[in-house]
Amino acid sequence: DAGVTQSPTHLIKTRGQHVTLRCSPISGHKSVSWYQQVLGQGPQFIFQYYEKEERGRGNFPDRFSARQFPNYSSELNVNALLLGDSALYLCASSSQGLEQYFGPGTRLTVT
Amino acid sequence: DAKTTQPPSMDCAEGRAANLPCNHSTISGNEYVYWYRQIHSQGPQYIIHGLKNNETNEMASLIITEDRKSSTLILPHATLRDTAVYYCIVPPGNTGKLIFGQGTTLQVKP
Repeated sequence: DAGVTQSPTHLIKTRGQHVTLRCSPISGHKSVSWYQQVLGQGPQFIFQYYEKEERGRGNFPDRFSARQFPNYSSELNVNALLLGDSALYLCASSSQGLEQYFGPGTRLTVT
Repeated sequence: DAKTTQPPSMDCAEGRAANLPCNHSTISGNEYVYWYRQIHSQGPQYIIHGLKNNETNEMASLIITEDRKSSTLILPHATLRDTAVYYCIVPPGNTGKLIFGQGTTLQVKP
């Protein structure tokens, strides 16, 4: 079975631009969560979606938004990029339990 | 939110058991303890979780103290591939919000 997939793998953007990151969960998983991991730190929770509804939001500015589609895939959008948004963005999916299965991440570099 | 405390780093000889401790003294009665690990440049990997009883799976064993204020993850026969950062996490209110601390960097040496 395919695991969590994320696209793109790497991305380079300029300050002020907008970015969209995509995630496909494991088949049968209805929940998707997003995390940001800056170099040298643990992942930080951004959002959780379940059945297309937002179930949780971390301490991130409104420039960060997300949505989940009927097929349970998800997009993370970041507007007005800052240098500090450079990080590894991780997507995780889960079924009804709390075991979350992570994708390989998207490496975003803002210049 | 239940805060967890882990030693920043540990070494283990290849083939020996690795015992990784975690303190979670503020855990609530119905909150689970989860362990994840992250191998360099990869996404975190779920290892095991437990509530009050000891748990074992193909990857590891989890020992939770009777008062639930601490736990130990045991890798019975560590290999070089087990070198990673190990995170002990107590999701607040059993929500899907995983709060990652600094974790324990386990270095398995030949």
